[in-house]
Order: sequence, then structure tokens, then C-alpha cells
Amino acid sequence: DQQVKQNSPSLSVQEGRISILNCDYTNSMFDYFLWYKKYPAEGPTFLISISSIKDKNEDGRFTVFLNKSAKHLSLHIVPSQPGDSAVYFCAAREHNTNAGKSTFGDGTTLTVKP
Amino acid sequence: DTGVSQDPRHKITKRGQNVTFRCDPISEHNRLYWYRQTLGQGPEFLTYFQNEAQLEKSRLLSDRFSAERPKGSFSTLEIQRTEQGDSAMYLCASTPQGGISGELFFGEGSRLTVL
Repeated sequence: DQQVKQNSPSLSVQEGRISILNCDYTNSMFDYFLWYKKYPAEGPTFLISISSIKDKNEDGRFTVFLNKSAKHLSLHIVPSQPGDSAVYFCAAREHNTNAGKSTFGDGTTLTVKP
Repeated sequence: DTGVSQDPRHKITKRGQNVTFRCDPISEHNRLYWYRQTLGQGPEFLTYFQNEAQLEKSRLLSDRFSAERPKGSFSTLEIQRTEQGDSAMYLCASTPQGGISGELFFGEGSRLTVL
């Protein structure tokens, strides 16, 4: 039973356009959601997070939206740049668990074409 | 570089051999995590240390796996009698005490190939 799902294995967008990466979850006990970016041969790096008490968090070109009723979150990147090409993981943390124990989705590979 | 460091980066071994991975976390981080990532999947939680105490272990961590963090600094993950199914990327991560969101600082990983 996969609690965090990223249904699109890959996404290709043109440079300058918006990239939208989606993530669905099933566990109502998740209280924090995080996005990580991973380049080949490197470990994942933290990108942005959102608490379950918010519906939007913005950091520069990156915005995460949370729809709790739909158990859905999305990461918007605008404008997309070729350097954004990477694998993006959605992760979720359960309330009252140790802070770093997250459940990850299987990732979406984003390709931004020049 | 003061990030999380893992060694070795790649280990190739024969089935049945023992392997050990080392992780040096960010120095001021007292929480250390091991995750495992197989091809096409996201990282899966294995175990967690706060200082030298191992506070949580996933049921993914069979009795062939053991992790330690002596003196609350570096950590080792040992796999005994390796099986082909153990082939994966083993990721170490650390977080500071008091972090709210649980942002993980990952190392570059140790890739294990069991022949």
C-alpha cells in the first residue's frame, strides 16, 4: 500500500514555461509535506515544504499547493529552467513521528528543454 | 565541504559476503537516518538515531542488517550474508535537533551491487 504516489513518472516542458508536478497521498495523519530534487549520482536535496495547516508555500520560482480535502499536493516551477531537469520526490511526514522519518513517492523525472 | 559524507560510494560484492557502509553526518546534527532506494522507487526509511541511541527501526531492516552510531558521531550500516535483493542505494541523512519540517540533509549515497 503506497501512501505517497506520484503518478507521472516523467514530465517534459519547454524552458520558460510552467512545470507542475503532482503528488497524492492516502494517510490522513501526514502533517508535513516536502519536495526534494535529485540529480544523477547525488543524494536528494530539500527544495520546499508545507505544513498541513497551510494551503500554499512559495519560495522564489517554486510554489507548493496543498489540497487536504483531495489529499493532493503539487509543485509549481515557474519559469522552468534547464537546470531544473532532475528527479523530484514528494515526501510526507506523519504527525507525532520523529521529524526525519518521511514516506517518499517514487519520483517524477522533469526534463526542461532549452 | 561540511555536508553529509558517505563511504564507499560504490561497493560490488558477491552474494554471501558482508559489507559495511559509513556515514559522517553534518557535525552539529544529532539525528541520523538511513534510507534505502532501489531503482525507480523513492527512498525508504530504514532506521533512525538520536545521538548514539537507535530509536527506531523499520521492519525492512532484517536481522542481517545492523546499524550503529558510537559516540553519536559517525554511523555504520552493516549487511551480513548479502543477497541479490540487497542491491540498492543506501542513503544517509541527518537533521538538527528541533527541526520542525523534518528536512533531511542527504549524503550522496553508497551504491551496493550484489552479484
